[in-house]
This record gives sequence, C-alpha cells and structure tokens, in this order.
Amino acid sequence: DTAVSQTPKYLVTQMGNDKSIKCEQNLGHDTMYWYKQDSKKFLKIMFSYNNKELIINETVPNRFSPKSPDKAHLNLHINSLELGDSAVYFCASSRPPGTSGRDEQFFGPGTRLTVL
Amino acid sequence: AQKVTQAQTEISVVEKEDVTLDCVYETRDTTYYLFWYKQPPSGELVFLIRRNSFDEQNEISGRYSWNFQKSTSSFNFTITASQVVDSAVYFCALSERRYGGATNKLIFGTGTLLAVQP
Repeated sequence: DTAVSQTPKYLVTQMGNDKSIKCEQNLGHDTMYWYKQDSKKFLKIMFSYNNKELIINETVPNRFSPKSPDKAHLNLHINSLELGDSAVYFCASSRPPGTSGRDEQFFGPGTRLTVL
Repeated sequence: AQKVTQAQTEISVVEKEDVTLDCVYETRDTTYYLFWYKQPPSGELVFLIRRNSFDEQNEISGRYSWNFQKSTSSFNFTITASQVVDSAVYFCALSERRYGGATNKLIFGTGTLLAVQP
C-alpha cells in the first residue's frame, strides 16, 4: 500500500496555464507538507498544514494555493505558471512533532513539473 | 539562523570502500532533531534516521552508521563496504520546532551525490 501518493507524476504545461497536484496519505498523520526541489536538487519547504489548518507559508508567491479538504489530503494549485516554477514538488506527512520519537516526514514520489 | 551544510558535493568510491558523508549544522535551539534522507536515481526521498539533540549515542544499522557530535555540530553518516545500490543523493536535514508544536519544518542541506563504481 502506498503511504503518500501524488498525482500526476509528470506534468508538462505551457506558461500561463493553471494546474493542480494532488496528494493523499493513508498513514493517519495530522500534518502534511509541500516541498519544492529545484534543478540543483535543493529542497525547500513551501507549506505545512496541521489538521486542515495552514501553519507554514514560506513566502511562496500567492499564485500557489494549497488546499486541505481533510487530514488525509493536501492539494497544490498553481495559477499563471512561469518558467521558474519548473521543479519537482514533493508532498510529505508526519505525526505531530515529538511524537514518541516517531515524527519523521514520509515523502511522496514527487511530481515533476515542466513549464514550457 | 538554522542552516545545514554538506560541503561534499560529489563523492565517487569503488564498491566495498567505506565512505563518510559530512553534515554540519547551525541552530540556536537547545532541542532539535537531525535527519538523513536518501534520494536514489528513481527520485523518491527515503527516510534513514532521526536523532535527538539530547542523545549523542552513535547509531549503527547494518552497513550504515551515524556519528553525532554536539561539540562540533556535526552529524556524519558512514557507509561501510559500499555497494552500487548505495549510489544516490544523501540529504542531511535539521528540524526547526516552532509553530506551537503543530508541525515540523525540515531545513535541508544541499545534498551529497554518492557514486559507487563497480
């Protein structure tokens, strides 16, 4: 069974389009995240939700809008895509921090977004 | 500011050699957590280990071992008798605990690409 899944795995689109990436976790975790990995492999957090509430918004352009319909899902919608948005986007989930030493983040397989 | 430095950009070894990946971190927190993740060529991020700041015991898991030293702010990772399947990018990360305990924020190093040649 897949723990953290993302769709689609690959996304190729034109500049200016709007696209969404979906994430689901079946681990029963309360906390979910979006990370961006750029072409140099640098990983940076974008957003974090706890129990459907936005906790971290790491100065991401407001063209990016996360939505958490329930604890198991965290979607990412991107408006007016730009060339610089090309990257791999990872969803992750975890138990609350400090949970009996078992609060590591589990990552989805990533979505490779290419903006032409 | 919180920061993680992985000074080794790329390392190339021959199979069966031992290899150590360095990680140095900066934090003002007295309680913090350190992680290592592996990213193989297939692209997924695989959790390897989590270490508390108050537990300086070294850890060994099969061919993997981790050396945590608070005095030098380092959390190094050694692979013994490396194998081709160990080829991957390895990330060290520091957990920033804010936000009322509701969430973590992982601060990643830039990663070390390990290439194990047959």
